[in-house]
Amino acid sequence: DIQMTQSPSTLSASVGDRVTITCRASQSISTWLAWYQQKPGKAPKVLIYKASSLESGVPSRFSGSGSGTEFTLTITSLQPDDFASYYCQHYHSYPYSFGQGTKVEIK
Amino acid sequence: QVQLVESGGGVVQPGRSLRLSCVASGFTFTSYPMFWLRQAPGKGLQWVAAISHDGNRKYYADSLKGRFTISRDNAENTLYLQMNTLGPEDTAVYYCARAGNIVVMVAALPRHWGQGTLVSVSS
Repeated sequence: DIQMTQSPSTLSASVGDRVTITCRASQSISTWLAWYQQKPGKAPKVLIYKASSLESGVPSRFSGSGSGTEFTLTITSLQPDDFASYYCQHYHSYPYSFGQGTKVEIK
Repeated sequence: QVQLVESGGGVVQPGRSLRLSCVASGFTFTSYPMFWLRQAPGKGLQWVAAISHDGNRKYYADSLKGRFTISRDNAENTLYLQMNTLGPEDTAVYYCARAGNIVVMVAALPRHWGQGTLVSVSS
């Protein structure tokens, strides 16, 4: 099974900051990686799929990159609405798995 | 629009069973792979199971194989999760989700999620 390691677990940042979250797969997953955003009490929503494709309706300040085993989610110019938890998930093969999550907090 | 409504959660004693349901609407249910995922209180997301559009292929998280069974009734637009021998570690919000693309099970992304149903395992 493929394991996903996400870092950092918590990130303190200010509005306007550039933020980067990293996700590492235990073996190559090509670009079969998605990033989700989750707010308290709500279901997760897809931000990025296929490692770098922006989901429809998601602001362009979100971007994803990487392939193989190393991936990043970048938020340029953090906005108040972006304070939330973020998860990576591979969908290369079953069983799927998630990273441990990153909580982006207000500094 | 895509709507997924989970139900069947509640408080259950350790060792007992529970069946969750997810009623789908706003799309052709018979065309899409479906998923169950869960999130323990204050914890991260965990992928639970997947089922093909026709119900013929099923996949499970290794840690849950043998206790949980995913199924679907395409005539009723409903997805199910049968959970047996429940323990405190199964306490979580359970989400159903629909794949982004029709039919194809390989690299199917859980794109549309319901709001979840809470299962609490406690004596």
